[in-house]
Amino acid sequence: DTGVSQNPRHKITKRGQNVTFRCDPISEHNRLYWYRQTLGQGPEFLTYFQNEAQLEKSRLLSDRFSAERPKGSFSTLEIQRTEQGDSAMYLCASSLLGGAKNIQYFGAGTRLSVL
Amino acid sequence: RKEVEQDPGPFNVPEGATVAFNCTYSNSASQSFFWYRQDCRKEPKLLMSVYSSGNEDGRFTAQLNRASQYISLLIRDSKLSDSATYLCVVNGADSGNTPLVFGKGTRLSVIA
Repeated sequence: DTGVSQNPRHKITKRGQNVTFRCDPISEHNRLYWYRQTLGQGPEFLTYFQNEAQLEKSRLLSDRFSAERPKGSFSTLEIQRTEQGDSAMYLCASSLLGGAKNIQYFGAGTRLSVL
Repeated sequence: RKEVEQDPGPFNVPEGATVAFNCTYSNSASQSFFWYRQDCRKEPKLLMSVYSSGNEDGRFTAQLNRASQYISLLIRDSKLSDSATYLCVVNGADSGNTPLVFGKGTRLSVIA
């Protein structure tokens, strides 16, 4: 499968715990994006990378959220001290800078439930 | 004003019907426009890009009116498999793959 891969698919955690999600983009894609989607809403942008550089992070929801892409390949999104309001689907997408019409391809997402 | 606004759903239509979705966007400098489809509890998938000249892909036709900042999607001869949420999506003014801005989506149910 050469699409965007996200792990885990589901995560259940207790309030106050830290969680980390992984995204593996399409191999030749140099841009990687994180979005969050809650029920009844469209995906909401969080942050993105071009290779290993994080180009935008002002939309991260709070300082409890952080993301890395240390080698310009896979990325991780960490949420510290989780709260019930963090329960959502976390989506990763990737694209090729200069590719056709800036099309982004999404992974299947990680569904987080904070109890 | 929200960046991308869509018709509220749900739309419940019989098989074979024609259905139209509308969308407006607030950033007049936006450069790229898309319709994504999202099935229940799945990821969004690109349905089609939207061009100023309008474009058609089988039963699907998308239109863009830059002056009115308006995007539409027309589905002809609806199939049961068209049941999904349709997301209107706009890219930023920067042509270099800036983050997508999504509408809330419009849910379509095609009924036999």
